[in-house]
Amino acid sequence: IAGITQAPTSQILAAGRRMTLRCTQDMRHNAMYWYRQDLGLGLRLIHYSNTAGTTGKGEVPDGYSVSRANTDDFPLTLASAVPSQTSVYFCASSETPGAREVFGPGTRLTVL
Amino acid sequence: QQPVQSPQAVILREGEDAVINCSSSKALYSVHWYRQKHGEAPVFLMILLKGGEQKGHEKISASFNEKKQQSSLYLTASQLSYSGTYFCGTVLIQGAQKLVFGQGTRLTINP
Repeated sequence: IAGITQAPTSQILAAGRRMTLRCTQDMRHNAMYWYRQDLGLGLRLIHYSNTAGTTGKGEVPDGYSVSRANTDDFPLTLASAVPSQTSVYFCASSETPGAREVFGPGTRLTVL
Repeated sequence: QQPVQSPQAVILREGEDAVINCSSSKALYSVHWYRQKHGEAPVFLMILLKGGEQKGHEKISASFNEKKQQSSLYLTASQLSYSGTYFCGTVLIQGAQKLVFGQGTRLTINP
């Protein structure tokens, strides 16, 4: 089934722990994105990648890192989780930068 | 840089019309519209490129006023299935081609 998969679906994490959220797409899209969604704040871009091998910072990159070793995968890592990183995280992709974006189902992360 | 959406929330009866606005303080290359139902991922509705074109998707259409850097989403004869939160996303003419989303407009359709 063409689309984006994210794992895990949800996670409860102790503050200070390291966590990697996984994202895989099978549409051969060049661009991929990570957003966080908090109530009343809409979707905020954390990091993006316009093509495999390149990444860039979005609006709220602090505390997060990404890598793009190949076209399909775009993992997001929280090096040392803090409670303010409690959020719903969406991975998205588009054929080219600025084109329509397809979103994954999201990961609900709670940091205690 | 975040576009401003208005209104923040709308409550309608089935069959009524609604307009959701999205405005930017910077020159726009394109405007995207997405709909998100509760507990689900956002779903793409349409893109409008600078040039003032109007697009339609079923009974949902949108326009882009390049001079005012504004876009409006029109929902005609609303159906229960239109309920959800609508987000506009803007891509600036200058800078990286990244979407910046507005804070969303929650639309509730009652029978």
